[in-house]
Amino acid sequence: QKEVEQNSGPLSVPEGAIASLNCTYSDRGSQSFFWYRQYSGKSPELIMSIYSNGDKEDGRFTAQLNKASQYVSLLIRDSQPSDSATYLCAVKGNQGGKLIFGQGTELSVKP
Amino acid sequence: EPEVTQTPSHQVTQMGQEVILRCVPISNHLYFYWYRQILGQKVEFLVSFYNNEISEKSEIFDDQFSVERPDGSNFTLKIRSTKLEDSAMYFCASSEALPKDTQYFGPGTRLTVL
Repeated sequence: QKEVEQNSGPLSVPEGAIASLNCTYSDRGSQSFFWYRQYSGKSPELIMSIYSNGDKEDGRFTAQLNKASQYVSLLIRDSQPSDSATYLCAVKGNQGGKLIFGQGTELSVKP
Repeated sequence: EPEVTQTPSHQVTQMGQEVILRCVPISNHLYFYWYRQILGQKVEFLVSFYNNEISEKSEIFDDQFSVERPDGSNFTLKIRSTKLEDSAMYFCASSEALPKDTQYFGPGTRLTVL
């Protein structure tokens, strides 16, 4: 069973702090990794994709991938109350296009 | 900015009835997907569709489910005889051809089976 694991949280950080979200996956053949944000009752909204080991930065967001450890993370710098949402880690294997999602980590940014 | 659209936003049906959920993927995308999310649970893959045929399906996607691309823009999910446990948010997603495999999700259809 190919799985994606995330801490469900809630993760609470003060406004302006760095939020760190983590994800592990079981399929060593996975090729593509995505972070989505989901507000309550809404659909997943893409934040970032990452395909190679290392860091990828986009504005306040940095995704980190370590394929040897089967680990993906998302850092949110200068967290804002509007960042409060559930963050979904999604992994695509090397065959087919389906995404396997983690349970999601609920982030709460306190003013 | 192009986006995936879905109709209806909310569908209420009686158990045993057929429902059709509709999606319009992003126009230049070639891969189409349906996912569902039961309240409080993970987003789960149902089916992927490419070149007018199913390319992959999950165990959830049994004989009561079917997908179709009836014209050049719409992509539909049909549930033939709904069950209480089909109540969920259903999301359509689409992506360009590989290697640009990022999937963009529609706003979802909330299906309530009574």
